[in-house]
Amino acid sequence: AQSVTQPDIHITVSEGASLELRCNYSYGATPYLFWYVQSPGQGLQLLLKYFSGDTLVQGIKGFEAEFKRSQSSFNLRKPSVHWSDAAEYFCAVGAFNFGNEKLTFGTGTRLTIIP
Amino acid sequence: DGGITQSPKYLFRKEGQNVTLSCEQNLNHDAMYWYRQDPGQGLRLIYYSQIVNDFQKGDIAEGYSVSREKKESFPLTVTSAQKNPTAFYLCASIAKTGQAYNEQFFGPGTRLTVL
Repeated sequence: AQSVTQPDIHITVSEGASLELRCNYSYGATPYLFWYVQSPGQGLQLLLKYFSGDTLVQGIKGFEAEFKRSQSSFNLRKPSVHWSDAAEYFCAVGAFNFGNEKLTFGTGTRLTIIP
Repeated sequence: DGGITQSPKYLFRKEGQNVTLSCEQNLNHDAMYWYRQDPGQGLRLIYYSQIVNDFQKGDIAEGYSVSREKKESFPLTVTSAQKNPTAFYLCASIAKTGQAYNEQFFGPGTRLTVL
């Protein structure tokens, strides 16, 4: 069974600083990896996804993530955060079986931005 | 606009009552999902349905029931057997192309509070 670990429950960064959110996964085959963002009281929005190919994936809002198979990681990065990036971020891994697509989510990382 | 709607946004229930949460999508997606979100626990899968008139239990199905009579609708009933129903409930859907893993789209959520 697949699993996802987000080791940082809460991260605080200054506006304009760089950001890296960690995600480690466990899955026996090639994983399908996702990063979602959630504003308070809202649903989840997809930031980016990795299926195959280039291990550096570009997403919306200036985010990127790098898949490192040797480290079982899929960390999310942004070179310069904006106050509007304050939210909760979820990493997820998908198991691709025909007729049985399911996602397993990490516990999330809450991002706070300070002026 | 295509998307997923969940209603109501806020729901209050007395102990011992069943309550039904609505989820409707006009994305023509085949598969639909229900998740429960609690602080610090990420998203946990309750039920999912790959096709009309068929559904499977997720990781925490006890105390919940679903139906899938129409492709666009996947209501969730929280029964009195659910011991701790106060939570944020998210509905999601996915297009099944059979070729690659597509992203899940999420609704805005329903916050259920048991009084």
